[in-house]
Amino acid sequence: DTAVSQTPKYLVTQMGNDKSIKCEQNLGHDTMYWYKQDSKKFLKIMFSYNNKELIINETVPNRFSPKSPDKAHLNLHINSLELGDSAVYFCASSLRMAPADTQYFGPGTRLTVL
Amino acid sequence: AQTVTQSQPEMSVQEAETVTLSCTYDTSESDYYLFWYKQPPSRQMILVIRQEAYKQQNATENRFSVNFQKAAKSFSLKISDSQLGDAAMYFCAYKVTSGSRLTFGEGTQLTVNP
Repeated sequence: DTAVSQTPKYLVTQMGNDKSIKCEQNLGHDTMYWYKQDSKKFLKIMFSYNNKELIINETVPNRFSPKSPDKAHLNLHINSLELGDSAVYFCASSLRMAPADTQYFGPGTRLTVL
Repeated sequence: AQTVTQSQPEMSVQEAETVTLSCTYDTSESDYYLFWYKQPPSRQMILVIRQEAYKQQNATENRFSVNFQKAAKSFSLKISDSQLGDAAMYFCAYKVTSGSRLTFGEGTQLTVNP
């Protein structure tokens, strides 16, 4: 049973397109996150949601819009894709927002913008 | 701002030997959590071990242990009896008690030679 799943695993698209990445967790967690891993493997948080409410919004271009229809899902929509958006995007979840709560990661979505 | 530094971009070890991966961090907080995550070629981020800053005892998980030196702001990972399956990118990460975001280091690519 997959704890945190993402679809698709790979996404190749043209510059200027709009795309979405979906994330679902079946752990019953309240908090979900999106991280971006760049070409140098550096991981940085983008957003976090707690009980469908946006908590963290790092300085991410507003072309990126997260949406949480319920506690188990956190989708990432990206408008007007740019070459620099090429990266691996990881979804994660934790039981709550407490710092002691371990974050569990999904398998990642490799986005390639041509 | 909190930063995490892994000064070894690459390390290698012979199978069955021991290797230590370094991590230092910079923070003005007195209470926080530290983590080591492993990312094998499959891309999946897997929690290896965690340490609460208020605990003086070093965490251990089977063949994995840490050397936590709070005054020096150092958090190294020791892998004993290295196995081929340990080959991966290892990330050190930090989380303050007042928040939920993980701040990652740049990663260390570990190769295990048979």
